[in-house]
Order: sequence, then structure tokens, then C-alpha cells
Amino acid sequence: GAGVSQTPSNKVTEKGKYVELRCDPISGHTALYWYRQSLGQGPEFLIYFQGTGAADDSGLPNDRFFAVRPEGSVSTLKIQRTERGDSAVYLCASSLNGGVTDTQYFGPGTRLTVL
Amino acid sequence: AQRVTQPEKLLSVFKGAPVELKCNYSYSGSPELFWYVQYSRQRLQLLLRHISRESIKGFTADLNKGETSFHLKKPFAQEEDSAMYYCALSRGYSTLTFGKGTMLLVSP
Repeated sequence: GAGVSQTPSNKVTEKGKYVELRCDPISGHTALYWYRQSLGQGPEFLIYFQGTGAADDSGLPNDRFFAVRPEGSVSTLKIQRTERGDSAVYLCASSLNGGVTDTQYFGPGTRLTVL
Repeated sequence: AQRVTQPEKLLSVFKGAPVELKCNYSYSGSPELFWYVQYSRQRLQLLLRHISRESIKGFTADLNKGETSFHLKKPFAQEEDSAMYYCALSRGYSTLTFGKGTMLLVSP
């Protein structure tokens, strides 16, 4: 079946602009995660959804970052007033139930470049 | 605070040589540990998890709570093992804390 998909694959924007990044999880997966990967680093947790609700948003760096998952499937990560330091690959993952030992399936990522 | 340390950025070996990718962690609770792998131009994927005590593609990893380590090992490296390897720790609700990764390069 289809894996996790993310759009766009690349996004170039100017400092101060607003961006939206989309994630389509595997059908039937209730858990969805957003991570950010900067150059030379491992993925860094941002937010975790269980169904429609954000179960853990402790990784969001500041209030410019926000994410939604209104129907419990597709999720959108929203970044306001982008800064050059936001440039990174944004990864989405989903898992069946969000159990501690569940396999997380990752998408290909969205590469965000803030000029 | 949880932390995962992978001390080597790059590990270069010849085909057929043994491989050990190091991973150390700090965590106050009972850890769930994983190895993820990213092959060239592919997405990040799970390689193995400690709770399964499995061997995948010839790789094994043993959790050593005394040394707080979860090193990944393979007795005979293959060229197709060349990839980026990330050690990860579950931080509750299954969210993961990753190390910075080690690039494994296997030369013919």
C-alpha cells in the first residue's frame, strides 16, 4: 500500500513569510508525528498527534509553529514569520496505534529553505 | 533529560570486515531503543528494536543497561549496508529522541 506522503517535496520562501507543510499518513494509522532535521543532525521531535488531538507538542520550538490534524488523517504543519534558522527537512511519520514499540513509518520529507 | 550519543560521524570499513556502530543513551526510566537506517535517496526506516531481540539483514543490537549502550553490530559488512544509521530512544507516547547519526561506508 501507499506509504506516508509529504507535500511539497521542496519549499523555498523568504524570511517573514508563512508556510504550510502537508503530511498524508498511512491509512488507518491513528498516530502521527512531526520531526525536524537540520543539516548534520538527527531528526528532532516536534509534535505528536493521537487521532485529532495533539498528545505532545513539547517539541515545538516557539509559538510561530503550529500543527493541526482536524479529521484524524492528514496533518498540516504551519510556520508563521519564517526565519532563516527554520531551514531544515521536515519529516512526518505515522504509526498504527502510537504504542511505545510501534514502528514509525517516515515520509520522504519536505526540504524548507528560508532565504 | 533523554539523550542519545553516537560518537562517530563516519565509519569506513572494507567488505567482509566486522562492523560496530556505537550508541550510548541517558534516560531515567526503562528505555525502548531502536536503530533506524536511511539508504541513499530513500526514506528513514526502522532497522531493528531492542525489545524484539531480532536480527535484521545480519545486524544485531544488545541493550546493555549497565553501560547504557545499544551498539549495532554485524560480523561481515556488505557494500549494500552503506547508509546513514540513527540510534533512537522512545521518550514516551512513542515519540523518539534520535542521535546525530553515523554514516557507514563499506568499500569493496
